[in-house]
Amino acid sequence: KNQVEQSPQSLIILEGKNCTLQCNYTVSPFSNLRWYKQDTGRGPVSLTIMTFSENTKSNGRYTATLDADTKQSSLHITASQLSDSASYICVVSGGGGYQKVTFGTGTKLQVIP
Amino acid sequence: SQTIHQWPATLVQPVGSPLSLECTVEGTSNPNLYWYRQAAGRGLQLLFYSVGIGQISSEVPQNLSASRPQDRQFILSSKKLLLSDSGFYLCAWVSGVSTGELFFGEGSRLTVL
Repeated sequence: KNQVEQSPQSLIILEGKNCTLQCNYTVSPFSNLRWYKQDTGRGPVSLTIMTFSENTKSNGRYTATLDADTKQSSLHITASQLSDSASYICVVSGGGGYQKVTFGTGTKLQVIP
Repeated sequence: SQTIHQWPATLVQPVGSPLSLECTVEGTSNPNLYWYRQAAGRGLQLLFYSVGIGQISSEVPQNLSASRPQDRQFILSSKKLLLSDSGFYLCAWVSGVSTGELFFGEGSRLTVL
């Protein structure tokens, strides 16, 4: 069964600190992995996409890594800001359209002053 | 540019009442459209997807139905709501098949009492 597990479930950090969110998946076949940011009460917004051959991809203060061999991904947030408070969702696609996408349950990040 | 809108944003309905959530996409033609539900503490669950007018596929058996009367309109309905239908409903379209980015609407919060 295709699964995407994220850890931790929730995280509280001080403004300005760094943090790393984890994503482990068992989706097969694998096409790509995306990290989405979802503000409370809003729809998710894509941060990064990574395909099989990519190891690292950055988007501003967000850096995603992918190890396709161990089926693990991480999202590193540098110099956190209050606006980073949100849920971060790992989404793995097995190809064949979004009918084949598996969503993680998300990590809820709270950045406090 | 493409936009996606959902309404209503929030809805409180009694058990047994009907439901209609509407989603409209602008700035694109013949999009693949999706309805997801996000229950508390759970990942997004695909409910329905549509690749064209009148073409609806259901991923899970449930108390809901979907329709696509126009190319850019996607409607989620129920004749009689259940308590378990409560959740956050998200409409989305994808910019491309398989590796394209999912763009989500603002979401509709449904509470069934």
